[in-house]
Amino acid sequence: GENVEQHPSTLSVQEGDSAVIKCTYSDSASNYFPWYKQELGKRPQLIIDIRSNVGEKKDQRIAVTLNKTAKHFSLHITETQPEDSAVYFCAASKGGSYIPTFGRGTSLIVHP
Amino acid sequence: KAGVTQTPRYLIKTRGQQVTLSCSPISGHRSVSWYQQTPGQGLQFLFEYFSETQRNKGNFPGRFSGRQFSNSRSEMNVSTLELGDSALYLCASISTATSRRETQYFGPGTRLLVL
Repeated sequence: GENVEQHPSTLSVQEGDSAVIKCTYSDSASNYFPWYKQELGKRPQLIIDIRSNVGEKKDQRIAVTLNKTAKHFSLHITETQPEDSAVYFCAASKGGSYIPTFGRGTSLIVHP
Repeated sequence: KAGVTQTPRYLIKTRGQQVTLSCSPISGHRSVSWYQQTPGQGLQFLFEYFSETQRNKGNFPGRFSGRQFSNSRSEMNVSTLELGDSALYLCASISTATSRRETQYFGPGTRLLVL
């Protein structure tokens, strides 16, 4: 089955810095890669996703890049703010009836 | 539309007891998945139900079971509770809209503490 590795497990940055979280996947048939943000005590919520026919996608301060050949994808957050502090999960899925496989999460801490 | 709801939100049980958790998906969503979340382990997939049938299953022991009703509401049952079952249990429903069919919409979770 699919295996998703996520690094780092903890990331500490100063407000205004950029943050990058990286994930690798094992199944070349995976074609959908969502990222979820889970604030303390709250539910995971989708923040951005990318499909395998696209190399990069941006939404304001967040962007995701995908390298299908190397089977890795990354989340980039620019101009970080304290409210970006949360646990971020990447996932990989083959779509359809397949269940996404999640990474173990990255705890991002943004210091004011 | 109302979001995914889960009841109860908090639960304290003792070892050996059993527990039933409930999840109501977003209206129109027919797929419900259950996850166990513990510190450091991320989101561990338990099972998925679609149209009242279990469609996918994770690597959890048979003490963990579930079902789905005709209105898509789902229940998860854990029998003979162990201390290690203490976790946040999340359910998620999946959109049936073509463009967003893989997006999982999570409920707030049920936090289970086993003493």
